[in-house]
Amino acid sequence: DGGITQSPKYLFRKEGQNVTLSCEQNLNHDAMYWYRQDPGQGLRLIYYSQIVNDFQKGDIAEGYSVSREKKESFPLTVTSAQKNPTAFYLCASSQPGSGLGNTEAFFGQGTRLTVV
Amino acid sequence: QKEVEQNSGPLSVPEGAIASLNCTYSDRGSQSFFWYRQYSGKSPELIMFIYSNGDKEDGRFTAQLNKASQYVSLLIRDSQPSDSATYLCAPEGKGRRALTFGSGTRLQVQP
Repeated sequence: DGGITQSPKYLFRKEGQNVTLSCEQNLNHDAMYWYRQDPGQGLRLIYYSQIVNDFQKGDIAEGYSVSREKKESFPLTVTSAQKNPTAFYLCASSQPGSGLGNTEAFFGQGTRLTVV
Repeated sequence: QKEVEQNSGPLSVPEGAIASLNCTYSDRGSQSFFWYRQYSGKSPELIMFIYSNGDKEDGRFTAQLNKASQYVSLLIRDSQPSDSATYLCAPEGKGRRALTFGSGTRLQVQP
């Protein structure tokens, strides 16, 4: 079945460590996104990529890095520079359209990151 | 100014009532909008898409778009406790802009 897979579902990070969150999609979508969600808050955009080998910073990119070497994959690294990384991370994909903009976004199940 | 504004709530309605959720947006170029529902601890799921002025109905849900006033709303008729969730509004993100979401409105339907 087509969809987006995020792994792991739960992740624990020690202070000062870098961790990488995986996001893979088989929907053949060009655009992929990473969002962060804190308790009781909305989705804040970290990074997005409209095509392979290209990505742009979102509203809260500091302390994060991404790569887009393959259309199917858009991993997110939470670096030690991110001082408050405990949050729910959501990966999504969509297909930019020719007239009405993007199609709907499909989301992975999310990764809950906790600093210990 | 945020691209999309929503009242965070919680909006509390009794079971069987109509729940009205609103979203205002700043970009007059936005042509169409998505409404997503997010249950606590889960990822958002699409429930409505509207691209023209007026109303669009799907079962108990009605989306309304008013481009002149720059707002989009979601009405839920005969609200059920299972409708208790956070509802997120998002413009379609034309061109190379990413999909951005409102902060969401938390709906609580009281049995």
